[in-house]
Amino acid sequence: DQQVKQNSPSLSVQEGRISILNCDYTNSMFDYFLWYKKYPAEGPTFLISISSIKDKNEDGRFTVFLNKSAKHLSLHIVPSQPGDSAVYFCAASAGGTSYGKLTFGQGTILTVHP
Amino acid sequence: KAGVTQTPRYLIKTRGQQVTLSCSPISGHRSVSWYQQTPGQGLQFLFEYFSETQRNKGNFPGRFSGRQFSNSRSEMNVSTLELGDSALYLCASSLQGTGSHEQFFGPGTRLTVL
Repeated sequence: DQQVKQNSPSLSVQEGRISILNCDYTNSMFDYFLWYKKYPAEGPTFLISISSIKDKNEDGRFTVFLNKSAKHLSLHIVPSQPGDSAVYFCAASAGGTSYGKLTFGQGTILTVHP
Repeated sequence: KAGVTQTPRYLIKTRGQQVTLSCSPISGHRSVSWYQQTPGQGLQFLFEYFSETQRNKGNFPGRFSGRQFSNSRSEMNVSTLELGDSALYLCASSLQGTGSHEQFFGPGTRLTVL
C-alpha cells in the first residue's frame, strides 16, 4: 500500500527551463509535505515544505503547489540548472505526534542538460 | 551549526551478527528518526525517538531496535543480521517545535551483510 506515489521515475529538462516534479498521496491524514533532493550514497537534503493550510510555498527557484482535493503536490524548479540533477523525493507526515514519521515516494531522477 | 552526524559511515558484517549504529542530531533538536533505504523498497521509516521515548514505529521486525539518550543522541541496533538488511541507514533530526516539522538527514551508514 503505497501512500505516496511519484509516478515519473525520471525527468529530463534543458538548462534554464522549468522542471516540474509530481507527487500523489492517498492518506487523508497527511497534513505536512516536504521535498528532498538526494545524491547517491548521501543523505537527503531538505528543499522546501508546505502545510496543508496553504496551497503554495516559494523559496528562491523552488515552488511547491498543493492541491488537497486532488491529493496532489508538485515541485517547480525555475530556472533549472545542471547542479539540480539528482533524485527528488516527496514525503508526507500526519499531524500531532506523527510528524516524526515521514512516508516517502519512490523518487524521480531529474537530469538537467546544459 | 553542525549537521547530523552518523557513525560509522560503512560497515561490513556477516549473517547472524548484530550491529549498532550511532546518530548525533543537530544541537537543540529533540526528535531523531531512523530510515532504511534499499533499491527495492525505497526509503522506509523505522522508528522515531523524542525525549528518550519511542514515539512512532514503522513496520519492521523486532530485530530492529533503538534508543535515545538524554543528550538526544540516538543508537539503533539490528540483531541476527540477514542478507536483506544490507541497506543505507539514515538518521534525521528535527526541532519538532510549533510549525517546524522539517527533518534534516545525516550522511547515512552503509551496512553490507555477507
